Amino acid sequence: DAGVTQSPTHLIKTRGQQVTLRCSPKSGHDTVSWYQQALGQGPQFIFQYYEEEERQRGNFPDRFSGHQFPNYSSELNVNALLLGDSALYLCASSSGTPNGPYNSPLHFGNGTRLTVT
Amino acid sequence: AQKITQTQPGMFVQEKEAVTLDCTYDTSDQSYGLFWYKQPSSGEMIFLIYQGSYDEQNATEGRYSLNFQKARKSANLVISASQLGDSAMYFCAMTPEDSSYKLIFGSGTRLLVRP
Repeated sequence: DAGVTQSPTHLIKTRGQQVTLRCSPKSGHDTVSWYQQALGQGPQFIFQYYEEEERQRGNFPDRFSGHQFPNYSSELNVNALLLGDSALYLCASSSGTPNGPYNSPLHFGNGTRLTVT
Repeated sequence: AQKITQTQPGMFVQEKEAVTLDCTYDTSDQSYGLFWYKQPSSGEMIFLIYQGSYDEQNATEGRYSLNFQKARKSANLVISASQLGDSAMYFCAMTPEDSSYKLIFGSGTRLLVRP
């Protein structure tokens, strides 16, 4: 039973470029969330996708966008990269309704480490 | 707005001893969830334990237990019989009333288990 898989594992980009990160959820999961973890900090919620729609969003600019495909996999796109976008980007999956009380723990992938130079 | 505070940047514990990692939280929600995750150097966040705000009993999962004191807004993690493999970053997190997917994390505690 494959868990959450993310690709690539590492990425180096130049300031101003665009990047796409990919995530395949754990088998049986239909909800995907993305988190940004800067060095030495806890992860911060970027947004959540359910039924191919963005359902919730954290305090991130519009440069951060995403997509969910019919097979529940997801992409995170970041445009006009800044040095401050350097971080570990974590994808998490779960199943169930997008709102309301907790019903199952989030399962995280190993992340994509993005370095912007 | 919700906030998680972890005041211990780093902790040491001797192998086979117990250790407590502190976590306090701030929220005005009546219903919320509290979580602990472990992050080894590989980067993956591993779910350890969950406590609901209306759960009267402290949660336990194997060697992990959550000391939940609602009035003090604390949710400390207790690891019993520490093992070398417990060396990692530990994050306390919570979910607000309106979403079980929007985890709000603390800054983490790095635990090092000494042989």
